[in-house]
Amino acid sequence: AQKITQTQPGMFVQEKEAVTLDCTYDTSDPSYGLFWYKQPSSGEMIFLIYQGSYDQQNATEGRYSLNFQKARKSANLVISASQLGDSAMYFCAMRESGGFKTIFGAGTRLFVKA
Amino acid sequence: DAEITQSPRHKITETGRQVTLACHQTWNHNNMFWYRQDLGHGLRLIHYSYGVHDTNKGEVSDGYSVSRSNTEDLPLTLESAASSQTSVYFCASSPGTLYQQYFGPGTRLTVT
Repeated sequence: AQKITQTQPGMFVQEKEAVTLDCTYDTSDPSYGLFWYKQPSSGEMIFLIYQGSYDQQNATEGRYSLNFQKARKSANLVISASQLGDSAMYFCAMRESGGFKTIFGAGTRLFVKA
Repeated sequence: DAEITQSPRHKITETGRQVTLACHQTWNHNNMFWYRQDLGHGLRLIHYSYGVHDTNKGEVSDGYSVSRSNTEDLPLTLESAASSQTSVYFCASSPGTLYQQYFGPGTRLTVT
């Protein structure tokens, strides 16, 4: 069965430093997609980055990169050069190609300190 | 610009009443989803639809129903609202299986 685990309920990072948010997953489907979303205090869900299970390279989008370790079933989000505006809740999610539902982890709240 | 909207944004209702939350998207996406968000649970899938006249139950579908009469809309109905259904509800759409989902702004529902 699909499962997403985010073990860090809260994280602190100093402004301009890098931070890694952990995500592990479980699936028996060889084809799947992994997603990260950001939810600021205003409440909207913002898509950040996507990694396909067959992608050979780690996905990058600006200051966001996904450290994809398929054998370990981990898909950690790395945010470089943190900014105060990065303070938010971050959700890891997975969708199997054989199904249409996306499951979400419980989220990690990131606090960026000035 | 294409978008996904939800209405109302805030709703207070009484236990036992029927409530319908609207979701409208102009992306022309076939896939649409309803989630609820509660502290400590992330987002949990209520119902989803692959296209017109198609609906499917998610992991927390009890007490909820949806119908899909056109591509743009997927209204969520709470048949008889319960206090346990107090939550923030998000609608989302997606163009395909392994694509990102586009989320609406959310509806905060309080059942008293």
